[in-house]
Amino acid sequence: DSGVTQTPKHLITATGQRVTLRCSPRSGDLSVYWYQQSLDQGLQFLIHYYNGEERAKGNILERFSAQQFPDLHSELNLSSLELGDSALYFCASSAGLAGGSPQETQYFGPGTRLLVL
Amino acid sequence: GENVEQHPSTLSVQEGDSAVIKCTYSDSASNYFPWYKQELGKRPQLIIDIRSNVGEKKDQRIAVTLNKTAKHFSLHITETQPEDSAVYFCAAIKTMEYGNKLVFGAGTILRVKS
Repeated sequence: DSGVTQTPKHLITATGQRVTLRCSPRSGDLSVYWYQQSLDQGLQFLIHYYNGEERAKGNILERFSAQQFPDLHSELNLSSLELGDSALYFCASSAGLAGGSPQETQYFGPGTRLLVL
Repeated sequence: GENVEQHPSTLSVQEGDSAVIKCTYSDSASNYFPWYKQELGKRPQLIIDIRSNVGEKKDQRIAVTLNKTAKHFSLHITETQPEDSAVYFCAAIKTMEYGNKLVFGAGTILRVKS
């Protein structure tokens, strides 16, 4: 167990809908990363938050947004869902002691499996 | 944009043999290169990493080498065991002005036959 929790574990929804995925980082970790893992796209970095602020974006669609709250948990919002959004969504956290340095071990959560029908 | 190519896509070795997975990155500004192991249905777990100012790093049966000039890095697993069977991902990370941008390789399915 990495100490990172994600809810829900599974989510089934329909095209056009909106969902929110939640991530609680390890206690004290300031950095949160979101990733999407699908069969055809592999593991894709979406976004990095550090202490409540967005720090870097990867291949995140405009239909997706995220935020990190004062208690450091993070939410990933996916809207106008399409079939191709079906994937496993991971969040990971790292200590962030060095201002969000990339060279800190990232601890992954168990993931949320999203199925869009 | 940044790209990381990973080879081979599948690798089958006999228990006790060595396994080598290679990655090539395109952005010379990348400065940190972690390797993750993901077992079926589980989360990725960091197994080893290397910084851009280091050429080689070893941790028991696992080693990583980095050639910055050629922009490639490799994972070496010696004395492979059945429990090494998993999908392995390499990644290249570039520190942006305020955050970190990561690009992953497509993954290598390693099967260790006993």
